[in-house]
Amino acid sequence: QKEVEQNSGPLSVPEGAIASLNCTYSDRGSQSFFWYRQYSGKSPELIMFIYSNGDKEDGRFTAQLNKASQYVSLLIRDSQPSDSATYLCAVNMLSGGFKTIFGAGTRLFVKA
Amino acid sequence: GAVVSQHPSWVICKSGTSVKIECRSLDFQATTMFWYRQFPKQSLMLMATSNEGSKATYEQGVEKDKFLINHASLTLSTLTVTSAHPEDSSFYICSAPRTSGFNNEQFFGPGTRLTVL
Repeated sequence: QKEVEQNSGPLSVPEGAIASLNCTYSDRGSQSFFWYRQYSGKSPELIMFIYSNGDKEDGRFTAQLNKASQYVSLLIRDSQPSDSATYLCAVNMLSGGFKTIFGAGTRLFVKA
Repeated sequence: GAVVSQHPSWVICKSGTSVKIECRSLDFQATTMFWYRQFPKQSLMLMATSNEGSKATYEQGVEKDKFLINHASLTLSTLTVTSAHPEDSSFYICSAPRTSGFNNEQFFGPGTRLTVL
């Protein structure tokens, strides 16, 4: 089992719709979770982080965390074509020493 | 947000030569920096953790003698790809956590695209 798993997609949604991106992780002791956006040929940029169970909202983005299910998601409301990118889920893990492990990323296409 | 720079942004070299990539934290100190490699359409793969004042920690499968890491100061880490070969061609990205502790986000450099001919 991969340490951080994401559906590679592509996920295609129409402009204005809600895009839902999902991620599961293997280390039950993980405490902090991040969503990054990466445009082609560029390095990742942080969108949101979440530490506690439940929802965290920031503008059009909502991160959801369920530690019991080892599941974290990102919702993008009112999706825009400029949101088209690869979204990386990242988890800070303690096992083997503190490090950040990334999922393979989900490619999102927002159709105008 | 915090700023991390990398230099060069791209480099083309001949097979067998060595290439050095610099990673700098511009407005904060980083006792730890991370080096990632990303092949086309693949995810970031952690190569090693760079530790200021001590040896780097390499991930399984990464050759420490091929990928030399030096964390010379609290704001600078370098990755040297020695005797580069075409299969080393990739996008190399460094990152640094701005604060110590477990709950901290990574700030990424813009990446270095290496092409080995």
